[in-house]
Amino acid sequence: AQTVTQSQPEMSVQEAETVTLSCTYDTSENNYYLFWYKQPPSRQMILVIRQEAYKQQNATENRFSVNFQKAAKSFSLKISDSQLGDTAMYFCAFMKGGANSKLTFGKGITLSVRP
Amino acid sequence: DAGVIQSPRHEVTEMGQEVTLRCKPISGHNSLFWYRQTMMRGLELLIYFNNNVPIDDSGMPEDRFSAKMPNASFSTLKIQPSEPRDSAVYFCASSFEPGPKFLFFGSGTQLSVL
Repeated sequence: AQTVTQSQPEMSVQEAETVTLSCTYDTSENNYYLFWYKQPPSRQMILVIRQEAYKQQNATENRFSVNFQKAAKSFSLKISDSQLGDTAMYFCAFMKGGANSKLTFGKGITLSVRP
Repeated sequence: DAGVIQSPRHEVTEMGQEVTLRCKPISGHNSLFWYRQTMMRGLELLIYFNNNVPIDDSGMPEDRFSAKMPNASFSTLKIQPSEPRDSAVYFCASSFEPGPKFLFFGSGTQLSVL
């Protein structure tokens, strides 16, 4: 079974600064995908970024980027130029490749961006 | 596209009552997932369907919970009888298999059982 661990329950960052959210996972699979989802107070689950395990290049989406360390089974999210709208819970998630795969989430981290 | 549509957005009921949550996946998606979110346990997968067939229901907590997907555009999650510990946010999500491997979520149903 796969597990996803987010050990920091909450973090705070000053507006315009950079913050990194940590995530580790455990799997015996070689083909898998990793995700970061954002859940603002509206409750909506929003996909932030996605990484395929077979790709060495780290995924980037505007101010969001990941540091994917496959050997260490680490998948951290870096948010640059933090904005007030980034205040939310962030969930790291894992999905194995192949058919009939499901998304396994970490416990989440609450990020607060201070004005 | 309207996205994944869940109803109701909020549900308040009394212990012992039957509760039915509804989900309409994104048109063309063939996989559907029901998740439950609580403070204590985070996001848990309850059940998922592929092509309307239940693939894994190992996360369904007990016999009081049941889920159906009678067609590709509709699914229900039923709790009968409901208990206070069922209070949570229930999310439905859909995806396309084989596809780019990410789930689109509905807005969730906030269930409160008194």
